[in-house]
Amino acid sequence: GQNIDQPTEMTATEGAIVQINCTYQTSGFNGLFWYQQHAGEAPTFLSYNVLDGLEEKGRFSSFLSRSKGYSYLLLKELQMKDSASYLCAVTEAAGNKLTFGGGTRVLVKP
Amino acid sequence: SQTIHQWPATLVQPVGSPLSLECTVEGTSNPNLYWYRQAAGRGLQLLFYSVGIGQISSEVPQNLSASRPQDRQFILSSKKLLLSDSGFYLCAWSTSTGGWYEQYFGPGTRLTVT
Repeated sequence: GQNIDQPTEMTATEGAIVQINCTYQTSGFNGLFWYQQHAGEAPTFLSYNVLDGLEEKGRFSSFLSRSKGYSYLLLKELQMKDSASYLCAVTEAAGNKLTFGGGTRVLVKP
Repeated sequence: SQTIHQWPATLVQPVGSPLSLECTVEGTSNPNLYWYRQAAGRGLQLLFYSVGIGQISSEVPQNLSASRPQDRQFILSSKKLLLSDSGFYLCAWSTSTGGWYEQYFGPGTRLTVT
């Protein structure tokens, strides 16, 4: 089975940086996804990590350490539109299924 | 390009009534299909997934069922809804080939059971 933990809520100021941590315990691990979900909307894909290290994509970066069962999503130069929930999800070795954490709600204040 | 449709967008149903939610995908063949449920303020819970027509895997025992009558059609059903079935239902698809499987989500159906 899978157990995925991430903080429930975080608050940050516009223009700042926020780091959202995700820890996981899995019986089989293939990769880790980050999704963004605005209130009332469907999740949208942000990033995917399968190897250790940092993946950078514009203002967003995601890091993975397989040995530690740990990932983080880094949001830089925060904008008001970044206020959303951020979902960490892991795939098993078969790759067909995603198991999601509870999500981290990020509130960006002016 | 690929698109995924879900309907209805919102639904209010009484306890004990039946349910049918439909999801269709365009622009791809033989996708993997998924049904998730999200309770208010919570993460996504995988309910069912399908790797082909007539092939359904259930993740959570409950009063819901799923069917895949066509390659790009996925249906979520219930014979008798419970109050606890309220939530945001999301359909998703992913490619069935390649090294990893990003999932693309439909717009969702918000179900309220009264």
